[in-house]
Amino acid sequence: EAQVTQNPRYLITVTGKKLTVTCSQNMNHEYMSWYRQDPGLGLRQIYYSMNVEVTDKGDVPEGYKVSRKEKRNFPLILESPSPNQTSLYFCASSSTGTGVGEQYFGPGTRLTVT
Amino acid sequence: AQSVTQLGSHVSVSEGALVLLRCNYSSSVPPYLFWYVQYPNQGLQLLLKYTTGATLVKGINGFEAEFKKSETSFHLTKPSAHMSDAAEYFCAVSYYGNNRLAFGKGNQVVVIP
Repeated sequence: EAQVTQNPRYLITVTGKKLTVTCSQNMNHEYMSWYRQDPGLGLRQIYYSMNVEVTDKGDVPEGYKVSRKEKRNFPLILESPSPNQTSLYFCASSSTGTGVGEQYFGPGTRLTVT
Repeated sequence: AQSVTQLGSHVSVSEGALVLLRCNYSSSVPPYLFWYVQYPNQGLQLLLKYTTGATLVKGINGFEAEFKKSETSFHLTKPSAHMSDAAEYFCAVSYYGNNRLAFGKGNQVVVIP
């Protein structure tokens, strides 16, 4: 089954404790992206990657890091989480072949930073 | 920069009534347009999309949307609301050759029995 998986689905942590949220897709997509969803703000892009070893900042990159060492994986790293990073996070992927931009989303990771 | 406007964060509709969600975008070039739906505790799934060709697009679950270039709009409609349509709906835009999506702030749809 074609899918985007994220782990963990739920995470409660404390300020300053480094964490990684994993994202993996099995559709051989070149493009991958991370979003955060906050009430009243919709989805905002954190980082994206056009292909392996190619990453770029989205609209709200502060406090986050990413890496793209393999095509299927795109982990999101919070090196020193703060309470304002409490949010619902989504990973997404798409093919770049057609230029259409239709994206496939993971189930989400709900992060709480205390 | 791309931007998408969805008015009315919460939309209440009676079961059996018309569902109408408005989406306007700012763009100087023809975009690709999408509507995504998010059911409670789930990720987003594609409802429908406009790329080129016919401006009236049909999607899943009886939804459709019409691209109106002169109005820079892509409003979503469904003739008769069902209880299962209760969800959050997002309009999004991208451009050919650019996979980045810009999302509106979403409409939370409540269906009243």
